[in-house]
Amino acid sequence: DTAVSQTPKYLVTQMGNDKSIKCEQNLGHDTMYWYKQDSKKFLKIMFSYNNKELIINETVPNRFSPKSPDKAHLNLHINSLELGDSAVYFCASSAPSGRAPYEQYFGPGTRLTVT
Amino acid sequence: GNSVTQMEGPVTLSEEAFLTINCTYTATGYPSLFWYVQYPGEGLQLLLKATKADDKGSNKGFEATYRKETTSFHLEKGSVQVSDSAVYFCALSDHGGSNYKLTFGKGTLLTVNP
Repeated sequence: DTAVSQTPKYLVTQMGNDKSIKCEQNLGHDTMYWYKQDSKKFLKIMFSYNNKELIINETVPNRFSPKSPDKAHLNLHINSLELGDSAVYFCASSAPSGRAPYEQYFGPGTRLTVT
Repeated sequence: GNSVTQMEGPVTLSEEAFLTINCTYTATGYPSLFWYVQYPGEGLQLLLKATKADDKGSNKGFEATYRKETTSFHLEKGSVQVSDSAVYFCALSDHGGSNYKLTFGKGTLLTVNP
């Protein structure tokens, strides 16, 4: 059984389009995250939700809007895509609130290519 | 703020060689420390972890010891295999509060040749 799943795995689209990436976890975790990995493999957090509430927003352009319909899902919607948005986006989840050591479980990633 | 510094790659070794990837950190409080591995074309997998000073995390022949006095968490393996070729990320997470984000190092690409 896949613990953290993302769809789609690959996404190729043109500048100016709007697209969404979906993430689901079946681990019973309370907290979910979106990370962006650039072409140099550098990983940076974008957002975090705890029990459907936004708790981290790391200076991401407001073209990016996360949505958490329930604590098992965290979707990422991107408006007006730009070339610089091309990257691999990873979803992750972590153990229930307050439980160390806060390790995170990652999805397989979505490779977004904007042309 | 928190930060993680790990040795720049790429690192290229022959099979059965000894591996060390250095990692140092800066953090407020007492973070948990992690090594994640990313195999080609895949997501990140937790390799090992340590939650307090002097803890040693180990998995698949890899080890790392949480050294508070030197703020380090160096990854070691005594004999690498071709299948260990991957990108390795050192990361930390603060304890407490509602901010659970991981702060990652920039990753070290390891290539092991037969």
